[in-house]
Amino acid sequence: NAGVTQTPKFQVLKTGQSMTLQCAQDMNHEYMSWYRQDPGMGLRLIHYSVGAGITDQGEVPNGYNVSRSTTEDFPLRLLSAAPSQTSVYFCASSEDSFSGNTIYFGEGSWLTVV
Amino acid sequence: AQKITQTQPGMFVQEKEAVTLDCTYDTSDQSYGLFWYKQPSSGEMIFLIYQGSYDEQNATEGRYSLNFQKARKSANLVISASQLGDSAMYFCAMRVNNQGGKLIFGQGTELSVKP
Repeated sequence: NAGVTQTPKFQVLKTGQSMTLQCAQDMNHEYMSWYRQDPGMGLRLIHYSVGAGITDQGEVPNGYNVSRSTTEDFPLRLLSAAPSQTSVYFCASSEDSFSGNTIYFGEGSWLTVV
Repeated sequence: AQKITQTQPGMFVQEKEAVTLDCTYDTSDQSYGLFWYKQPSSGEMIFLIYQGSYDEQNATEGRYSLNFQKARKSANLVISASQLGDSAMYFCAMRVNNQGGKLIFGQGTELSVKP
């Protein structure tokens, strides 16, 4: 049982490049979400999904795209990377809103945009 | 608007003593959950404790307890018998139920345990 797997763990991008952060979970969770964490701050929600084919915006969605074609995968796409997107990105998954503490986080992806 | 406030950017505690990390929250919803996570310098998010809004008793998990005061909208984390390994960032978070599992985080408290 791998839980939530994020790749890559570290990435350096040039301004204007695009890339995709991958997130996969093997727990058949319906809910998945992406957060970013900037230095000295808590996590902020970028996008989330309540099931395959359903996504919605969070607090800081600009510059990011998501899709959910399968229950297992929830990739986050940076369309044209900017230095302001330098951050640590976390993917999370859970069964539903009422299952107590069953929220699982990936190990994080460190992204630097130069 | 839903919000989590952690007013202590940094805290020091002597090893083996207890420490309380403050968290207040704001929501008009009745059904929600409150979480505490630990983030060591390695960066991973480690779940510590959970309190549901309808739970009548304060949650406890080993050396961690959550002092839940619903009327005051506070959910303070108490760590008893602090250990050097408790030095880390601590985040309080809220999930409003039936809203897609989203978490709203506070800005965190950096705890340093002194030998």
